[in-house]
Amino acid sequence: EDQVTQSPEALRLQEGESSSLNCSYTVSGLRGLFWYRQDPGKGPEFLFTLYSAGEEKEKERLKATLTKKESFLHITAPKPEDSATYLCAVRETSGSRLTFGEGTQLTVNP
Amino acid sequence: DTAVSQTPKYLVTQMGNDKSIKCEQNLGHDTMYWYKQDSKKFLKIMFSYNNKELIINETVPNRFSPKSPDKAHLNLHINSLELGDSAVYFCGSGAGANVLTFGAGSRLTVL
Repeated sequence: EDQVTQSPEALRLQEGESSSLNCSYTVSGLRGLFWYRQDPGKGPEFLFTLYSAGEEKEKERLKATLTKKESFLHITAPKPEDSATYLCAVRETSGSRLTFGEGTQLTVNP
Repeated sequence: DTAVSQTPKYLVTQMGNDKSIKCEQNLGHDTMYWYKQDSKKFLKIMFSYNNKELIINETVPNRFSPKSPDKAHLNLHINSLELGDSAVYFCGSGAGANVLTFGAGSRLTVL
């Protein structure tokens, strides 16, 4: 069974203080690893898909990386508007579903 | 133009009642999903339909019955609501290995 574990559960940063969120996963075969952002009262919003170890994707202050066992979401010089819950999900080669981790709630203080 | 739309956004109802949530997508995707998000923000898959055919049915009480009249619509009917059914229900759609796009969610509160 696919497993996804995210850490930390919650993270508080000062504006400009860079950090990383972790997503560890166990799947029989990885078809894709997805990062989503979720704001309060809204649905998850897609950020990145990573398909193979060594792959990296960037968008503004966010950079996602992937190894064979985990993914990191690096946040460089965050701003208060980056505050949200960040969700990691995996899709295995034999299926179409996404299996989610429990998310990291990020708060960036001004 | 909303890609995945769910209605209603909020439902408040008494235990034992029956309720439905509707979902429509205009992305042309073949696959639609229902996910449940509990109070700890954990998103767990409930059902998936591909071209109106049920392909994923997790361990969900049979009080929950999805219906897909066509590939652009996936509705969720819940009978005999219980307190533990309180959650936010998200509809999503996707095509193959592509990104899964979610609706804004429907918050169900059972009193």
